[in-house]
Amino acid sequence: EDQVTQSPEALRLQEGESSSLNCSYTVSGLRGLFWYRQDPGKGPEFLFTLYSAGEEKEKERLKATLTKKESFLHITAPKPEDSATYLCAVRIPANTGKLIFGQGTTLQVKP
Amino acid sequence: NAGVTQTPKFRVLKTGQSMTLLCAQDMNHEYMYWYRQDPGMGLRLIHYSVGEGTTAKGEVPDGYNVSRLKKQNFLLGLESAAPSQTSVYFCASSGTAYEQYFGPGTRLTVT
Repeated sequence: EDQVTQSPEALRLQEGESSSLNCSYTVSGLRGLFWYRQDPGKGPEFLFTLYSAGEEKEKERLKATLTKKESFLHITAPKPEDSATYLCAVRIPANTGKLIFGQGTTLQVKP
Repeated sequence: NAGVTQTPKFRVLKTGQSMTLLCAQDMNHEYMYWYRQDPGMGLRLIHYSVGEGTTAKGEVPDGYNVSRLKKQNFLLGLESAAPSQTSVYFCASSGTAYEQYFGPGTRLTVT
């Protein structure tokens, strides 16, 4: 069964304290892994797409990496404005664009 | 570009009432999706469309109907609302890269 699991469920960091969020997946034939950021009361905002093991993408303080079994979202020297829920999703093998989402990790960065 | 817009933003229904949620996108995307998001359940796909005039069932389609008469619009209907349909509803669209872009959401309460 195709499945996406994110850990931890919640993470509290002090401003400047770097950490990583994990997304592990089981899918028959990965066709893309997506990271989103969701602020309270808003829709998910697209961050990155990763397609193959070893691939990395960066945006400001965020860096996403991909292995054959999991992806990490590394947050370097986070700021309070990085506080949000981060969602991971994988595209299932079909020409439908359907994604399977994990439950998300809620990040709180305290000043 | 407005991206993905949803109408209305909030709605309160009584059990048994009907309503239609409208999603519009101006990115010329082929694929469109309707999700619901509930605490602890993550994003769950209700219905989706791979092109104008097509619709298909997602993970939780019961109690909902959809139509895609125009490429830019995707309508979600509730024929007889139930309290279990209280949720936040998100519409998304994607092009050939399959990264989905989300609307701001509709918060629906059924009493």
